[in-house]
Order: sequence, then structure tokens, then C-alpha cells
Amino acid sequence: NAGVTQTPKFQVLKTGQSMTLQCAQDMNHNSMYWYRQDPGMGLRLIYYSASEGTTDKGEVPNGYNVSRLNKREFSLRLESAAPSQTSVYFCASTSPIKGGRETQYFGPGTRLLVL
Amino acid sequence: DAKTTQPPSMDCAEGRAANLPCNHSTISGNEYVYWYRQIHSQGPQYIIHGLKNNETNEMASLIITEDRKSSTLILPHATLRDTAVYYCIVKRTGGFKTIFGAGTRLFVKA
Repeated sequence: NAGVTQTPKFQVLKTGQSMTLQCAQDMNHNSMYWYRQDPGMGLRLIYYSASEGTTDKGEVPNGYNVSRLNKREFSLRLESAAPSQTSVYFCASTSPIKGGRETQYFGPGTRLLVL
Repeated sequence: DAKTTQPPSMDCAEGRAANLPCNHSTISGNEYVYWYRQIHSQGPQYIIHGLKNNETNEMASLIITEDRKSSTLILPHATLRDTAVYYCIVKRTGGFKTIFGAGTRLFVKA
């Protein structure tokens, strides 16, 4: 049981290049999330997917697109990277509600530098 | 979901209790208080949550005031490995937009 996995771990892009960040979870969770974390800041929600086949915008969706490929996988795409998108990107999934508890499980993060 | 206010940083001596406060004065009746921590830029990790009663698990205790407008996370015997950023979050069950503030950076010192 690997939990939430993300690839790649590190990436350097030039301004204007595109890339896709991959995320997968093996816990059979319905909802999945993409966050970004800038230095010294908390996490900000980019997009989320409440269930397979649905996606919705979070706080900071501009410049990103997402695809919920299946129940396991949720990818984040940067079509034309900008230096302002330099950040650490975390994927997460949420366990089903049990006794009022919903736990978010996070991946190890992808560190992205846009030059 | 309601917002929270936490001190930006705190120190604690190793072996002593660490008490991390959180203010959530606009919390609604159906919102839970959750605590997560983030160690050295890893992904955040769930610690504990509660609605209105005090809670304890193997990692920590959570004390919620009677009016639910504030709470305290207690790490009873802090170790160096507890040095991390601690996030207090209020969230209703089934809500998808979890708001992580800047958190409290806890330094545990030998």
C-alpha cells in the first residue's frame, strides 16, 4: 500500500514550456486534490475532484488544468509555465467519512522551478 | 469554512508539553477542528480532530473551549522530531475546500 504517489519529484522548466504532474492513490478514495505551497506559506487549493469524472476549481486555478483519468489517478497540467508557478505541488486524497473524520493523505510533493 | 488564527512560531523544550493555540471565532456548528503537521516540506500529516469534546490519541490531545471559538493542541512530551509546522483547520464534513493558513512553526529545542 503506497498511499499517494507523485511524479516527478523535481522538475525544471523554461518559461512557456508545458508539463503534466502525475498523481495516483491506491486507497480507493473518491476525492482527490492538487495544492501548491510557496515558500513560508500554507497550502493553497488549485483544483479538486470530488469523484471520478468530476473536477472543480479551488482557490488558485488560473494557469492549470486537471484530468481525473480514473479513480486512482489525478493529473495536473501546466500548459505554458510561468516563473510565478515555481512552487511545491502536493497531491492528496481524502478517506471516506467515518465518525465525522475525513483524513487527507498527501503525496511527497513535486518541486517545480520555472526559469 | 471558517478561518483560523495561529501564532507564527513557538519554542518548546524537549520533554516538555507543547501547547499550540488556535482561534476560530467564526466556526459554525457543523464544522470540525482538525490539526495537521508538516515536517520539513513533506506532505502534511493528520494529527487529530474534534467537534466539541476534548479528544486524545497516541499523538496528541485536543482541547476545545466550550464556546468552540478556540482550541489547543497539546503534544504531551515534545521531542526533536516534533519540530514542524502545525496547521489548525476548521472544516465541515463533506466540504471539499480545506483552507490551510500559514500555521505555527514549532521549534523543539534540546
